[in-house]
Amino acid sequence: DAEITQSPRHKITETGRQVTLACHQTWNHNNMFWYRQDLGHGLRLIHYSYGVQDTNKGEVSDGYSVSRSNTEDLPLTLESAASSQTSVYFCASSERESYNEQFFGPGTRLTVL
Amino acid sequence: GQNIDQPTEMTATEGAIVQINCTYQTSGFNGLFWYQQHAGEAPTFLSYNVLDGLEEKGRFSSFLSRSKGYSYLLLKELQMKDSASYLCAVMDSNYQLIWGAGTKLIIKP
Repeated sequence: DAEITQSPRHKITETGRQVTLACHQTWNHNNMFWYRQDLGHGLRLIHYSYGVQDTNKGEVSDGYSVSRSNTEDLPLTLESAASSQTSVYFCASSERESYNEQFFGPGTRLTVL
Repeated sequence: GQNIDQPTEMTATEGAIVQINCTYQTSGFNGLFWYQQHAGEAPTFLSYNVLDGLEEKGRFSSFLSRSKGYSYLLLKELQMKDSASYLCAVMDSNYQLIWGAGTKLIIKP
């Protein structure tokens, strides 16, 4: 069965360190997204990609970067982790057309000390 | 600015009916989604509305009024497993999803 996975599921790091969160999908979807979810806020879009070599900034992209070298993977990098980046991070994917539902990975809980 | 409003928390009784409202103000409209999210888990898709009216899918129905910027999710014959957060999201003119903060639904026996 097709799926979308994230790793690690939990991560504790220190301020200033570089962290990379992995996202891998076997749906063969063109579109991939990274969100963060914080208490009291809706999901907020960090970065998104509509295909290989395509990346775009979302609403809260400062301090984050992504790269898309193949269809299956969209790793999210925190260049210099800050305590404000403590959050739950969700990766999602969808088929090309905009009206298609997004399928979410299980999430990564990141704590920055 | 863009804004999605939904109640923070609602409580209902097992077997009853509950309606979760969502109002929105966005730059453009390309459809409204409802997702369910159990605690500690990923959101999962429930419904999509792009035209006015009611869409029924089993115990769950979703309604949309584009002129009022309003939607609701109706859950019938509530079961304990329906205890979850329900997220409303609108696709704006840039085909980006704008998410509400979610409504936590508590089901009591």
